Amino acid sequence: GALVYQYPRRTICKSGTSMRMECQAVGFQATSVAWYRQSPQKTFELIALSTVNSAIKYEQNFTQEKFPISHPNLSFSSMTVLNAYLEDRGLYLCGARVWGGGGQDTQYFGPGTRLLVL
Amino acid sequence: QQQVRQSPQSLTVWEGETAILNCSYENSAFDYFPWYQQFPGEGPALLIAIRSVSDKKEDGRFTIFFNKREKKLSLHITDSQPGDSATYFCAATQQGTGSKLSFGKGAKLTVSP
Repeated sequence: GALVYQYPRRTICKSGTSMRMECQAVGFQATSVAWYRQSPQKTFELIALSTVNSAIKYEQNFTQEKFPISHPNLSFSSMTVLNAYLEDRGLYLCGARVWGGGGQDTQYFGPGTRLLVL
Repeated sequence: QQQVRQSPQSLTVWEGETAILNCSYENSAFDYFPWYQQFPGEGPALLIAIRSVSDKKEDGRFTIFFNKREKKLSLHITDSQPGDSATYFCAATQQGTGSKLSFGKGAKLTVSP
């Protein structure tokens, strides 16, 4: 079956430092990968959407300079949170989506990387 | 602008009862509506989904009822179990376009034994 792995599951970093998180789709090739931040106050915030053969599109309030994303192939994506501060705390979710002919359109989520900033 | 709205925000039912979670949306172009179930400390898991060409989708104890005219849908959980206690998210998108999923704010369901 389709699985999405995220690493690390939990990380703590000092304010002003950076941390990188990874996402891997297993058992399928993702057509797109979306990175979200989930917090109690703002539920799902889409950070960026990366689609095969298209540029990575960042949502308002999120920039490549702050959240650089690498999506080298259909199964792997990584995102870095640069200069993390308290407002960057939350659960970072990777959603790997399969869509195309035949009506299939499904997004699978990984377990998330919980970021704590001290 | 909130594209997808859920109500109630929280719901408590007794074991064996039917839990009903509501969802409405703004964008008429949305034609695919997945529901995700999320337990504390875990990522959301796809539970069940419906396409706008259908008005009902059933999978075991979980059923989605869809009203395209009113742009509303609901998730019914029959014979609720304590293990169903979780947060449920309604989402919407245009199928097959790769456009982003819009999520509701979630509904926390508690099933009391």
